Amino acid sequence: IQLTQSPSSLSASVGDRVTITCRASQGISSYLAWYQQKPGKAPKLLIYAASTLQSGVPSRFSGSGSGTDFTLTISSLQPEDFATYYCQQLNTYPLTFGGGTKVEIK
Amino acid sequence: HLQLQESGPGLVKPSETLSLTCNVSGGSISSSAYYWGWIRQPPGKGLEWIASVFYSGRTFFNPSLKSRVTISVDTSKNQFSLKLSSVTAADTAVYYCARLNVLTFLEWPLVFVDYWGQGTLVTVSS
Repeated sequence: IQLTQSPSSLSASVGDRVTITCRASQGISSYLAWYQQKPGKAPKLLIYAASTLQSGVPSRFSGSGSGTDFTLTISSLQPEDFATYYCQQLNTYPLTFGGGTKVEIK
Repeated sequence: HLQLQESGPGLVKPSETLSLTCNVSGGSISSSAYYWGWIRQPPGKGLEWIASVFYSGRTFFNPSLKSRVTISVDTSKNQFSLKLSSVTAADTAVYYCARLNVLTFLEWPLVFVDYWGQGTLVTVSS
Protein backbone atom coordinates (compact mmCIF):
# COMPACT_ATOMS: atom_id res chain seq x y z
CA ILE A 1 0.00 0.00 0.00
CA GLN A 2 1.44 3.34 -1.06
CA LEU A 3 0.98 6.50 0.98
CA THR A 4 1.19 9.93 -0.63
CA GLN A 5 1.68 12.90 1.65
CA SER A 6 1.02 16.47 0.64
CA PRO A 7 2.49 18.91 0.62
CA SER A 8 6.05 17.60 0.70
CA SER A 9 7.06 20.79 2.47
CA LEU A 10 5.42 23.93 3.77
CA SER A 11 6.40 27.18 5.39
CA ALA A 12 4.34 28.48 8.27
CA SER A 13 4.51 30.93 11.13
CA VAL A 14 4.16 30.37 14.84
CA GLY A 15 0.46 30.36 15.67
CA ASP A 16 -0.65 29.17 12.23
CA ARG A 17 -3.03 26.27 11.73
CA VAL A 18 -1.30 23.60 9.68
CA THR A 19 -2.87 20.66 7.87
CA ILE A 20 -0.99 17.75 6.31
CA THR A 21 -2.73 15.14 4.22
CA CYS A 22 -1.95 11.48 3.64
CA ARG A 23 -3.67 9.47 0.91
CA ALA A 24 -3.52 5.68 0.76
CA SER A 25 -3.54 3.76 -2.51
CA GLN A 26 -6.29 1.53 -1.13
CA GLY A 27 -8.62 1.62 1.83
CA ILE A 28 -6.98 1.08 5.21
CA SER A 29 -9.93 1.83 7.50
CA SER A 30 -8.40 3.68 10.47
CA TYR A 31 -5.13 1.77 10.49
CA LEU A 32 -2.89 4.84 10.34
CA ALA A 33 -0.29 6.50 12.55
CA TRP A 34 1.49 9.83 12.45
CA TYR A 35 5.06 10.51 13.57
CA GLN A 36 7.16 13.64 14.07
CA GLN A 37 10.88 13.61 13.36
CA LYS A 38 13.38 16.32 14.18
CA PRO A 39 16.83 16.45 12.55
CA GLY A 40 19.21 13.83 13.90
CA LYS A 41 16.52 12.27 16.11
CA ALA A 42 14.34 9.21 15.98
CA PRO A 43 10.71 9.69 15.00
CA LYS A 44 8.18 10.22 17.77
CA LEU A 45 4.66 8.78 17.77
CA LEU A 46 1.95 11.45 17.72
CA ILE A 47 -1.26 9.68 16.73
CA TYR A 48 -2.40 6.10 16.13
CA ALA A 49 -5.67 4.59 14.94
CA ALA A 50 -5.95 7.69 12.74
CA SER A 51 -7.21 9.93 15.54
CA THR A 52 -6.02 8.69 18.95
CA LEU A 53 -3.51 11.01 20.55
CA GLN A 54 -0.51 9.27 22.07
CA SER A 55 -0.05 9.94 25.77
CA GLY A 56 1.97 13.08 26.43
CA VAL A 57 1.42 14.62 22.99
CA PRO A 58 0.01 18.17 23.12
CA SER A 59 -3.67 18.53 22.29
CA ARG A 60 -2.91 20.99 19.47
CA PHE A 61 -2.16 17.88 17.40
CA SER A 62 -5.15 16.02 15.98
CA GLY A 63 -5.77 13.40 13.35
CA SER A 64 -8.79 12.52 11.29
CA GLY A 65 -9.87 10.41 8.36
CA SER A 66 -10.72 6.88 7.40
CA GLY A 67 -10.47 4.73 4.31
CA THR A 68 -8.00 6.42 1.98
CA ASP A 69 -7.83 10.05 3.09
CA PHE A 70 -6.30 11.27 6.34
CA THR A 71 -5.20 14.56 7.84
CA LEU A 72 -2.88 15.67 10.60
CA THR A 73 -3.71 19.11 11.97
CA ILE A 74 -1.65 21.32 14.23
CA SER A 75 -4.10 23.91 15.54
CA SER A 76 -1.54 26.53 16.56
CA LEU A 77 2.01 25.91 15.41
CA GLN A 78 4.64 26.21 18.11
CA PRO A 79 8.42 26.69 17.66
CA GLU A 80 9.07 23.10 18.72
CA ASP A 81 6.74 21.78 16.00
CA PHE A 82 9.08 22.58 13.13
CA ALA A 83 9.99 19.09 11.97
CA THR A 84 9.19 16.44 9.38
CA TYR A 85 5.96 14.50 9.74
CA TYR A 86 5.33 10.98 8.44
CA CYS A 87 2.19 8.91 8.14
CA GLN A 88 2.35 5.12 8.32
CA GLN A 89 -0.28 2.59 7.31
CA LEU A 90 -0.83 -0.25 9.78
CA ASN A 91 -3.40 -2.20 7.78
CA THR A 92 -1.29 -4.55 5.71
CA TYR A 93 2.24 -5.91 5.71
CA PRO A 94 4.63 -4.54 4.66
CA LEU A 95 4.04 -1.57 6.91
CA THR A 96 4.74 1.48 4.78
CA PHE A 97 5.39 5.16 5.40
CA GLY A 98 4.49 8.26 3.48
CA GLY A 99 7.28 10.33 1.97
CA GLY A 100 7.17 12.95 4.71
CA THR A 101 6.13 16.58 5.05
CA LYS A 102 8.72 19.07 6.21
CA VAL A 103 7.30 21.98 8.20
CA GLU A 104 9.63 24.97 8.06
CA ILE A 105 9.64 28.39 9.64
CA LYS A 106 8.23 31.16 7.45
CA HIS B 1 11.10 3.88 31.44
CA LEU B 2 11.72 1.77 28.34
CA GLN B 3 14.95 2.29 26.46
CA LEU B 4 16.21 0.69 23.27
CA GLN B 5 19.85 0.88 22.23
CA GLU B 6 21.28 -0.27 18.93
CA SER B 7 24.81 -1.60 18.67
CA GLY B 8 26.95 -2.91 15.85
CA PRO B 9 29.57 -1.90 13.28
CA GLY B 10 29.18 1.49 11.68
CA LEU B 11 31.00 0.43 8.55
CA VAL B 12 30.33 -2.70 6.49
CA LYS B 13 31.99 -3.73 3.25
CA PRO B 14 29.91 -4.40 0.13
CA SER B 15 28.70 -8.01 -0.19
CA GLU B 16 29.20 -8.62 3.54
CA THR B 17 26.57 -9.02 6.26
CA LEU B 18 25.32 -6.16 8.38
CA SER B 19 24.67 -7.24 11.98
CA LEU B 20 22.94 -5.11 14.59
CA THR B 21 21.65 -5.80 18.07
CA CYS B 22 19.06 -3.89 20.06
CA ASN B 23 19.29 -4.04 23.83
CA VAL B 24 16.01 -3.46 25.61
CA SER B 25 16.01 -2.04 29.13
CA GLY B 26 13.22 -0.94 31.43
CA GLY B 27 10.83 -3.57 30.11
CA SER B 28 10.62 -7.23 29.13
CA ILE B 29 11.04 -8.34 25.56
CA SER B 30 8.88 -11.37 26.44
CA SER B 31 5.68 -9.36 26.79
CA SER B 32 2.81 -10.61 24.63
CA ALA B 33 1.67 -7.03 24.05
CA TYR B 34 4.53 -6.06 21.77
CA TYR B 35 6.46 -6.88 18.65
CA TRP B 36 10.04 -5.72 18.17
CA GLY B 37 11.34 -4.44 14.88
CA TRP B 38 13.83 -2.64 12.68
CA ILE B 39 13.26 0.41 10.54
CA ARG B 40 15.83 2.23 8.44
CA GLN B 41 16.27 5.66 6.91
CA PRO B 42 18.80 6.40 4.16
CA PRO B 43 20.49 9.78 4.59
CA GLY B 44 18.08 12.56 3.66
CA LYS B 45 15.31 10.13 2.77
CA GLY B 46 12.20 8.57 4.25
CA LEU B 47 11.52 5.62 6.53
CA GLU B 48 11.43 1.96 5.51
CA TRP B 49 10.16 -0.85 7.74
CA ILE B 50 12.46 -3.89 7.53
CA ALA B 51 11.09 -6.63 9.78
CA SER B 52 9.42 -7.42 13.09
CA VAL B 53 9.64 -10.30 15.55
CA PHE B 54 7.51 -11.54 18.45
CA TYR B 55 9.15 -12.96 21.56
CA SER B 56 7.96 -16.40 20.48
CA GLY B 57 9.97 -16.07 17.28
CA ARG B 58 7.10 -15.23 14.91
CA THR B 59 8.38 -12.92 12.23
CA PHE B 60 7.20 -10.47 9.59
CA PHE B 61 9.35 -9.19 6.76
CA ASN B 62 9.32 -6.48 4.13
CA PRO B 63 9.14 -8.53 0.89
CA SER B 64 11.66 -6.20 -0.74
CA LEU B 65 14.31 -7.30 1.79
CA LYS B 66 13.07 -10.68 2.96
CA SER B 67 15.59 -12.78 1.05
CA ARG B 68 18.47 -11.00 2.79
CA VAL B 69 17.07 -10.42 6.29
CA THR B 70 17.25 -12.45 9.46
CA ILE B 71 15.60 -11.16 12.62
CA SER B 72 15.78 -12.96 15.94
CA VAL B 73 15.08 -12.46 19.62
CA ASP B 74 17.10 -13.54 22.66
CA THR B 75 14.80 -13.43 25.66
CA SER B 76 17.58 -14.43 28.07
CA LYS B 77 19.49 -11.27 27.17
CA ASN B 78 16.40 -9.10 26.58
CA GLN B 79 17.61 -8.18 23.13
CA PHE B 80 16.83 -8.75 19.47
CA SER B 81 18.99 -8.71 16.39
CA LEU B 82 19.04 -7.95 12.68
CA LYS B 83 21.23 -9.46 10.00
CA LEU B 84 21.17 -8.12 6.45
CA SER B 85 23.27 -10.06 3.97
CA SER B 86 24.91 -9.10 0.67
CA VAL B 87 24.82 -5.40 1.43
CA THR B 88 25.39 -2.68 -1.15
CA ALA B 89 25.72 1.09 -0.95
CA ALA B 90 21.91 1.26 -1.15
CA ASP B 91 21.79 -0.26 2.34
CA THR B 92 23.60 2.73 3.83
CA ALA B 93 21.15 4.18 6.34
CA VAL B 94 20.37 5.00 9.93
CA TYR B 95 18.96 1.81 11.41
CA TYR B 96 16.42 2.14 14.21
CA CYS B 97 15.24 -0.60 16.50
CA ALA B 98 11.72 -0.17 17.77
CA ARG B 99 8.95 -1.52 19.95
CA LEU B 100 5.68 -2.12 18.17
CA ASN B 101 2.58 -1.91 20.32
CA VAL B 102 -0.18 -4.37 19.45
CA LEU B 103 -3.75 -3.31 20.22
CA THR B 104 -7.01 -5.10 19.61
CA PHE B 105 -8.77 -2.99 16.99
CA LEU B 106 -11.59 -3.43 14.47
CA GLU B 107 -10.95 -6.45 12.23
CA TRP B 108 -7.36 -7.20 13.19
CA PRO B 109 -4.74 -5.89 15.61
CA LEU B 110 -3.35 -2.40 15.27
CA VAL B 111 0.46 -2.47 15.31
CA PHE B 112 2.40 0.77 15.60
CA VAL B 113 5.79 1.95 16.82
CA ASP B 114 5.59 3.58 20.22
CA TYR B 115 9.26 3.47 21.21
CA TRP B 116 12.33 4.00 19.05
CA GLY B 117 16.02 3.55 19.64
CA GLN B 118 18.23 6.55 18.95
CA GLY B 119 19.37 5.02 15.66
CA THR B 120 22.77 3.97 14.39
CA LEU B 121 24.30 4.95 11.06
CA VAL B 122 25.61 2.04 9.04
CA THR B 123 27.68 2.91 6.01
CA VAL B 124 28.37 0.35 3.31
CA SER B 125 31.70 1.10 1.70
CA SER B 126 34.95 -0.61 0.85
